[in-house]
Parts: sequence; C-alpha cells; structure tokens
Amino acid sequence: EVQLVESGGGLVQPGGSLRLSCSASGFTFSSYAMHWVRQAPGKGLEYVSAISSNGGSTYYADSVKGRFTISRDNSKNTLYLQMSSLRAEDTAVYYCVKGGTAMPLDYWGQGTLVTVSS
Amino acid sequence: SYVLTQPPSVSVAPGKTARITCGGNNIGSKSVHWYQQKPGQAPVLVIYYDSDRPSGIPERFSGSNSGNTATLTISRVEAGDEADYYCQVWDSSSDHLVVFGGGTKLTVL
Repeated sequence: EVQLVESGGGLVQPGGSLRLSCSASGFTFSSYAMHWVRQAPGKGLEYVSAISSNGGSTYYADSVKGRFTISRDNSKNTLYLQMSSLRAEDTAVYYCVKGGTAMPLDYWGQGTLVTVSS
Repeated sequence: SYVLTQPPSVSVAPGKTARITCGGNNIGSKSVHWYQQKPGQAPVLVIYYDSDRPSGIPERFSGSNSGNTATLTISRVEAGDEADYYCQVWDSSSDHLVVFGGGTKLTVL
C-alpha cells in the first residue's frame, strides 16, 4: 500500500523558514518523480514544485521560485521542501504527491498545514 | 499560460447523472485527469487519461474529452459523491507544468 506522510508544518512568522518532509513507502520511491501541491484555506489546488526521480531536475511555480527548494533522499525514501522568506500567502495545506512526469498524480499524502502569521 | 475553466458548482438529485465540465483551449489534444476531494481530506484520483478509472473507483464515474471540453460524468449519484472535483492537465509548453481547474463543488440535493 502506497503511503505518503508529511511532517514539519506549523506556525511561522513572515520572513521565516520551515522544512517539510514526506516519508514514502509502498512503492519504489527512487523510480518516480514527486511533487508538492498546496491548498490555501477555502481555495483550490495550486501546483508548487516537482523533482525528477533522481533529483537531477526540479520545477517551481513562479509564486515560490527563489524561495522554496525541493529535494529528495532516495536512500531514506524521503521528499523535502525547504521554504524560506515565507509570506502570509504561503499559508496552506501542503500535500506530497506521487506521480511521474506527464502522468496522473496518483497518490496524495494527508497534508501538513503551514500557517504564516505574526 | 494554459487555463482550465470549471463551473463553481453543480447540483444533482440522488440517482440522477452529474456532469462536470472542464474547458480549455483544444483540451482534446491533452490528457485530462480528475480528482475528488471531500471536506478535510486529501484529493483522490478518480479518472486518469481522460476516461480510465483507478482500481476501487466505481464504474459510475466516467470521463470524456474532445474539442475544448473535458467532462466528468457521475451516474446514479449518491450522497457520498458530494465533494469538490478538480480537473488537471500537464502543460510543458508553458511555465506552468501542471495546471488545475478551479474546482467544482458537487452538491447532492
């Protein structure tokens, strides 16, 4: 059974930093691209970032480019999202998602809430 | 950037058929995926590559895609189908790699 478990969310002040982690199990982690998708309270889904299976390629939405860094450790089956210079508009539930490039996003974690507020 | 347009809401009586549309420029040339999200839960893939169903998704869920409109059809709607539904495509031609529609709230009357 595929499982994706996010952690690391919480309350952070504007301008602060936070690192999200996603522990994966139930599939060959190193064979799949991975993604982060976020959802602000009461809003729709927003695609944030992606990383290729070997970590060699990354993608960032314009809204987070230069502030967020996606990475992965295939030896630990773990995906990360380092977030810095956080803004109020980054407040959202962040989902870790499995899915190959140009493939459906087939498994989603339960999400972790990031709240940026003073 | 590529834009996907969904109606904000669709209402249907139990036992009837719900159709949720997703409009986009020549969307018929792309593969469309659909996700169901119930309150407080993570999204779940319900249709992929326009019309395929993942295992565990009822046959009542089906999809089609042609021209400028993709459609998610839910037959014999049940109360448990009440949720937000999002369409999604990959758009490597623009800076937005993955594009989501704005979502449609399905209300079962």
